[in-house]
Amino acid sequence: DAKTTQPNSMESNEEEPVHLPCNHSTISGTDYIHWYRQLPSQGPEYVIHGLTSNVNNRMASLAIAEDRKSSTLILHRATLRDAAVYYCILFRNSGNTPLVFGKGTRLSVIA
Amino acid sequence: DTEVTQTPKHLVMGMTNKKSLKCEQHMGHRAMYWYKQKAKKPPELMFVYSYEKLSINESVPSRFSPECPNSSLLNLHLHALQPEDSALYLCASSQEQDRSFNSPLHFGNGTRLTVT
Repeated sequence: DAKTTQPNSMESNEEEPVHLPCNHSTISGTDYIHWYRQLPSQGPEYVIHGLTSNVNNRMASLAIAEDRKSSTLILHRATLRDAAVYYCILFRNSGNTPLVFGKGTRLSVIA
Repeated sequence: DTEVTQTPKHLVMGMTNKKSLKCEQHMGHRAMYWYKQKAKKPPELMFVYSYEKLSINESVPSRFSPECPNSSLLNLHLHALQPEDSALYLCASSQEQDRSFNSPLHFGNGTRLTVT
C-alpha cells in the first residue's frame, strides 16, 4: 500500500491560515487522498478528499500537487476547536482495502 | 454528536468476564468497521463487515468476536481479555459502492475499555 508522510506536530495562531502538508510519493493513479481529523476524546471525523483537482468544502480546502506526490490541507482560519490530530490517508478506488491510518500531524492552536 | 452511536462509553472488565460493545447507525450504510486505538496512536483496523458478512479480519485474536445482526447494528463480543487489550474501540460505517470501501467513514466516539 502507498504510504504517506506527515510532520509529527505543527502549531498555529488562532484566526490564521494553517497549511498541513502530506507527502505520498508512491501514490498510484487510482488512489484518492483523504483527510480525517480526530479531536480530543472523539472518534475520527472525515474532512475532505480528492483525486487530482483541488477541492473545497465548508471545513477546509485540499490542494493537490500536479504530480500528485504531495498534498496540503488548508484550514483558512484556525480556531481553538481545530486543535486535533490530522490524518492524510490514501484510499484506493475499486480496491478492497479499507481505511488504514498513518501517524498523523498533531495541530496545536494558540489563542 | 455523531450519527454512529456506541455503547457503553466506558467499560471496566476483569480478565474472566464476558462483555459486549454495541454500535448502531441509521444512515443506511452497508459497511461497518471496528477499529482499536491505543493512547497517542492512530486507529488500527480490526474487522470489516460488508452487507452483514465479515469481509476483513485483520488477524485479530479470537477473544474478540464480532457480530453484525442486521445492517444497522454491529457488536463486538469480548471474552478472556488481557490488560493490554485496554484501549478505545471505535466503530465506523460507510456507504459501499461497487463492493469497494472508498466512501468516507463516519465514526462513533468509541468505547473506552479497561481490562483489570
